[in-house]
Amino acid sequence: DTGVSQNPRHKITKRGQNVTFRCDPISEHNRLYWYRQTLGQGPEFLTYFQNEAQLEKSRLLSDRFSAERPKGSFSTLEIQRTEQGDSAMYLCASSPPQGARWNEQFFGPGTRLTVL
Amino acid sequence: DQQVKQNSPSLSVQEGRISILNCDYTNSMFDYFLWYKKYPAEGPTFLISISSIKDKNEDGRFTVFLNKSAKHLSLHIVPSQPGDSAVYFCAASALNNAGNMLTFGGGTRLMVKP
Repeated sequence: DTGVSQNPRHKITKRGQNVTFRCDPISEHNRLYWYRQTLGQGPEFLTYFQNEAQLEKSRLLSDRFSAERPKGSFSTLEIQRTEQGDSAMYLCASSPPQGARWNEQFFGPGTRLTVL
Repeated sequence: DQQVKQNSPSLSVQEGRISILNCDYTNSMFDYFLWYKKYPAEGPTFLISISSIKDKNEDGRFTVFLNKSAKHLSLHIVPSQPGDSAVYFCAASALNNAGNMLTFGGGTRLMVKP
């Protein structure tokens, strides 16, 4: 169990550019989540995958945001035409399909995005 | 509207004493509650949870209490240690929601002084 990993850890970009983040969940976990956290706030839910299917999307996920999990393993989150308001920590989490820890979400270290 | 609230942004406690972190929620559909701890530059790590069918859950130095009628939960840390200094997030989910998405409070920064 190597934990949830996210890359890159930091990303600085100019307004209007596109960025893509990657999340590798814990290997046997079939559920994967993306959250966004801004300074002084708790994480806010963005979207959820069960295997490769995207089953839930928050209204926070504007048309400029798209997430994929093509083979039910790693996931990518892309932001097109970034805006300064997109600056935040983007967190990925995963959960096992069953077992005693079914209700827990295991978080990665996050990708900090700064839009200049 | 903030469905999960942590009204104390910070708390300072002496080592060895009890730390009590509070959390209030408004959505009566929430039936599972979790506490996460977060250190700088790391993701949140799970600490303890409680189902709405219980009013108390204990794990070592950590105890979570749930008062459903008041829509209030609290995390007790006894005894507090300097290594407990971190930001603590309360989170809630409704198990009948697809994926059990978590709704987080704004966090409480705990500082345990030696």
